[in-house]
Amino acid sequence: EAQLEESGGGLIQPGGSLRLTCEASRFIVSDHFMNWVRQAPGKGLEWVSAIYTGGNTYYADSVKGRFTISRDNSKNNLYLQMNSLRVEDTALYYCARDPPGPDGAFDLWGQGTMVTVSS
Amino acid sequence: QSALTQPASVSGSPGQSITISCTGTSSDVGAYDYVSWYQQYPGKAPKIIIYEVTYRLSGVSTRFSGSKSGNTASLTISGLQAEDEADYYCSSYTTTRAVVFGGGTRVTVL
Repeated sequence: EAQLEESGGGLIQPGGSLRLTCEASRFIVSDHFMNWVRQAPGKGLEWVSAIYTGGNTYYADSVKGRFTISRDNSKNNLYLQMNSLRVEDTALYYCARDPPGPDGAFDLWGQGTMVTVSS
Repeated sequence: QSALTQPASVSGSPGQSITISCTGTSSDVGAYDYVSWYQQYPGKAPKIIIYEVTYRLSGVSTRFSGSKSGNTASLTISGLQAEDEADYYCSSYTTTRAVVFGGGTRVTVL
């Protein structure tokens, strides 16, 4: 059974940086459209970023210029580099798969990693 | 990238049918048949139940159905059961290759 597992979250001060990792098992990340989605405490889902099979990347306006999505094909991992973090970036961050994509239908989700931005 | 509009809450008695609306624009819901619906229980990751407006994932109850008219999509749950009590989110692919979610709807079974 295919799985996703996020890691790398934690407590970080405003202006700081953090890199999230999403480890995929039993499927190949580079063969799929992969995404990051976040959920602030008690709030709804917010799409953050996507990386297409061809390598093109897309971002929500709220993170454009600050976050970078990437993948390592040799490790079968997805990443989210988050710079210039703000209090409003505090959320549970999920990675999600969009097959065959891209159509926004995320069939596989991890359990999420919590990012808290606070002084 | 404005969020799609969903009612904050919908409730119904066991056995009843309820419908959750999801209103967007011609740049998202109205642009493609790429609307999905997710079910989320507290403390759990979302689970997709409907994709491409009307298609149910394998194993999802036939009590769940989706539709779309213009810029508004809808999720109908028929024969409401206690286990359906959860948060429901719609999403749509957009013309700018982003994905936009609705604000979520809390379904309560009375």
